[in-house]
Amino acid sequence: KAGVTQTPRYLIKTRGQQVTLSCSPISGHRSVSWYQQTPGQGLQFLFEYFSETQRNKGNFPGRFSGRQFSNSRSEMNVSTLELGDSALYLCASSLAQNRNYGYTFGSGTRLTVV
Amino acid sequence: DAKTTQPPSMDCAEGRAANLPCNHSTISGNEYVYWYRQIHSQGPQYIIHGLKNNETNEMASLIITEDRKSSTLILPHATLRDTAVYYCIVSNWNNFNKFYFGSGTKLNVKP
Repeated sequence: KAGVTQTPRYLIKTRGQQVTLSCSPISGHRSVSWYQQTPGQGLQFLFEYFSETQRNKGNFPGRFSGRQFSNSRSEMNVSTLELGDSALYLCASSLAQNRNYGYTFGSGTRLTVV
Repeated sequence: DAKTTQPPSMDCAEGRAANLPCNHSTISGNEYVYWYRQIHSQGPQYIIHGLKNNETNEMASLIITEDRKSSTLILPHATLRDTAVYYCIVSNWNNFNKFYFGSGTKLNVKP
């Protein structure tokens, strides 16, 4: 079965612009989480959605936002991009109530802000 | 706010068992121990998880001490493809979707 799909794979944006990243979870998975990975800070939790509702949020500024659609697909948006937002953005999905498999991660979107 | 401590790197000879330790001395009774690994530039891959009993699957074994303050991930026959960063995570089931990844252990499998 298809895994977690993130688009685009690579993106270059200019400071001050905004960007939208997309994540399609595994079919049947209703929980989607987003993470940011940078060399300096490692993997950091951004937020998690379940049934179109944000359930958990990490310590990121309000420029980072997300949403989930009725088909469980999710998007995250970063407004007013800063150089420090350059990172690998990872999406992960799970059955939420399934204790046996944990999370399945996508391959990520590599965002470069110039 | 990672709650785990792992050595930054380890070496292992190909074909030998790789034993990756993790300390989680502040783990609470309802927190699980999860292991993930990340091969360069890919998304993390789930390996195994457990609460208090030892667990085994097709990828690895997880040994959790009786007091649950530490655990060991065992890759029984390491291959070059097992070279990766291995993350040990503890998380409350109610909050399991919010993982705190620490720095992990870079496992180098050498021929």
